[in-house]
Amino acid sequence: KQEVTQIPAALSVPEGENLVLNCSFTDSAIYNLQWFRQDPGKGLTSLLLIQSSQREQTSGRLNASLDKSSGRSTLYIAASQPGDSATYLCAVRPYETSGSRLTFGEGTQLTVNP
Amino acid sequence: GAVVSQHPSWVICKSGTSVKIECRSLDFQATTMFWYRQFPKQSLMLMATSNEGSKATYEQGVEKDKFLINHASLTLSTLTVTSAHPEDSSFYICSATGRTSGRMKGANVLTFGAGSRLTVL
Repeated sequence: KQEVTQIPAALSVPEGENLVLNCSFTDSAIYNLQWFRQDPGKGLTSLLLIQSSQREQTSGRLNASLDKSSGRSTLYIAASQPGDSATYLCAVRPYETSGSRLTFGEGTQLTVNP
Repeated sequence: GAVVSQHPSWVICKSGTSVKIECRSLDFQATTMFWYRQFPKQSLMLMATSNEGSKATYEQGVEKDKFLINHASLTLSTLTVTSAHPEDSSFYICSATGRTSGRMKGANVLTFGAGSRLTVL
């Protein structure tokens, strides 16, 4: 059974810092890994999706890497802003077909202080 | 892009009543929909997977008679919490996967709804 772990559970940083969120998964046989953002009481916003054949994806100040063999992914946020405050979730998808479902980590709650 | 609309966004009900939550795919045909439950400060836990026109597959520990899921069309799935109790109070999120029919026709998408906050008094 796939298990996804995120470290740290919570993180508080001053504005402008670069930071790294970690995600690990126990079964390396994945189709892709996805990072989401969730604001309090809201649904999920997809940030980055990395296919199993890829090493990293970038979008603006966000960079996600994937080391499938070691079961790890990191989300790098550059020059953090108060608006980045949210819970960040990583999730893995085991295979391509539409019936495939995501296994989520418990998230990292990020607070960026002005 | 692909959009999933979830309704209602929040609902308060009395213990013992039933509540229905709708999940609609707005510009694509959702062959499969997933229902998740999220308790405060916890991650999303998959409750069930539903394929259009067939019975839902429930995760272990989820009571199928309590959480009724219907996926009667390619654009609509419903979750009905029957005889709700305070411990059912939670945030329920649906996601849908399928192929787009709009500008990016044929693209495989997986999109989440905005969630429904259920409070049972």
